[in-house]
Amino acid sequence: AQSVTQLDSQVPVFEEAPVELRCNYSSSVSVYLFWYVQYPNQGLQLLLKYLSGSTLVKGINGFEAEFNKSQTSFHLRKPSVHISDTAEYFCAVSDQAPPGGYNKLIFGAGTRLAVHP
Amino acid sequence: DAGVIQSPRHEVTEMGQEVTLRCKPISGHNSLFWYRQTMMRGLELLIYFNNNVPIDDSGMPEDRFSAKMPNASFSTLKIQPSEPRDSAVYFCASSFNRDVATNEKLFFGSGTQLSVL
Repeated sequence: AQSVTQLDSQVPVFEEAPVELRCNYSSSVSVYLFWYVQYPNQGLQLLLKYLSGSTLVKGINGFEAEFNKSQTSFHLRKPSVHISDTAEYFCAVSDQAPPGGYNKLIFGAGTRLAVHP
Repeated sequence: DAGVIQSPRHEVTEMGQEVTLRCKPISGHNSLFWYRQTMMRGLELLIYFNNNVPIDDSGMPEDRFSAKMPNASFSTLKIQPSEPRDSAVYFCASSFNRDVATNEKLFFGSGTQLSVL
């Protein structure tokens, strides 16, 4: 069964500094990978996704992530963060659908990014 | 589009009472998901509907929980009787999937904060 590990529960960073939020997954088959963001008192929004093709995926708000199959990682990066990036970030994985099944999203525990002035 | 609409935003009830959470998915979406978010367990999938049919209810905690989708524009999650351990944020999400197996981008509602005293 697949699982997702987000290695940092909280990441404090100063405004305009770079940030990396780490995500590792375990799966025995090909996967789809996602990053979602949750702003306070809101639902989750999709930041970016990897389905196939280029391992470097660009998303909204200047975020990008790189799929590394050998390290089973999908770390999220942004070269310069803003105060408005303060939120909870969730990594998610799904196996490609088995016969008769569906690709079920499994979410990590989340990483709280706190951007300070 | 107004997005996924959930009601109520907050619900406070006493143990043993029936609780009904409501969700209106985005028009045209054919898949609907109910998730529960807690500090201890993170984001858990409770049930997945595709074309109003429950596809996967393996995440429903126990018989006290039930979900229905009588039509494409409305779903309910009911807890009867409620218990303090049911306190959580309950999210509804919808998506358009080309088939029951594909699950690429979810649109989340703002959630219902449930407190069972």
